[in-house]
Amino acid sequence: SQQGEEDPQALSIQEGENATMNCSYKTSINNLQWYRQNSGRGLVHLILIRSNEREKHSGRLRVTLDTSKKSSSLLITASRAADTASYFCATDGYSTLTFGKGTMLLVSP
Amino acid sequence: NAGVTQTPKFQVLKTGQSMTLQCAQDMNHEYMSWYRQDPGMGLRLIHYSVGAGITDQGEVPNGYNVSRSTTEDFPLRLLSAAPSQTSVYFCASSRVVGDTQYFGPGTRLTVL
Repeated sequence: SQQGEEDPQALSIQEGENATMNCSYKTSINNLQWYRQNSGRGLVHLILIRSNEREKHSGRLRVTLDTSKKSSSLLITASRAADTASYFCATDGYSTLTFGKGTMLLVSP
Repeated sequence: NAGVTQTPKFQVLKTGQSMTLQCAQDMNHEYMSWYRQDPGMGLRLIHYSVGAGITDQGEVPNGYNVSRSTTEDFPLRLLSAAPSQTSVYFCASSRVVGDTQYFGPGTRLTVL
């Protein structure tokens, strides 16, 4: 069964707008990661946030983590057409990393 | 560094055939894993390894075998291919399980 669940399943925005996607999970975690997948390619790591962190930034990316609500959000600011991709959250378990089903983001010029 | 490499990129099999998907990494990572990705299902873990000689099952292990004789290589064997195994397969590696995962480019497998 999948630990993380992303919301929404799909998101369509215009270039320059911000994109927010959410991830909810069920059990305690050590850290949570976000990945991006361009169509037909392997996943690329974006950012890792540890359970004792509440917010993390990397360029135009902002990730928050609320362990009390078991949820995380990924904000992409000033989106570009090149941000069009699927975004996945992943949570670590005892010996495994579990991915959600992803959010498909479409950024139109 | 080549990172994580996978071969082949594409493969078509007939039902009942067997084959091995190859995965190699040159980053001296201890943790390696195999996922399958199906439309609408996200990535599901097939098998993983925390080091040479140690493997374990993930969420969907049936019909697949793995071995880890070296740190670098982690092949995935399909014992008797079935149409339900049509999928895209990704290999990944990381220093330890909760660390950044590095993914290979994937193998697109079709079983007729």
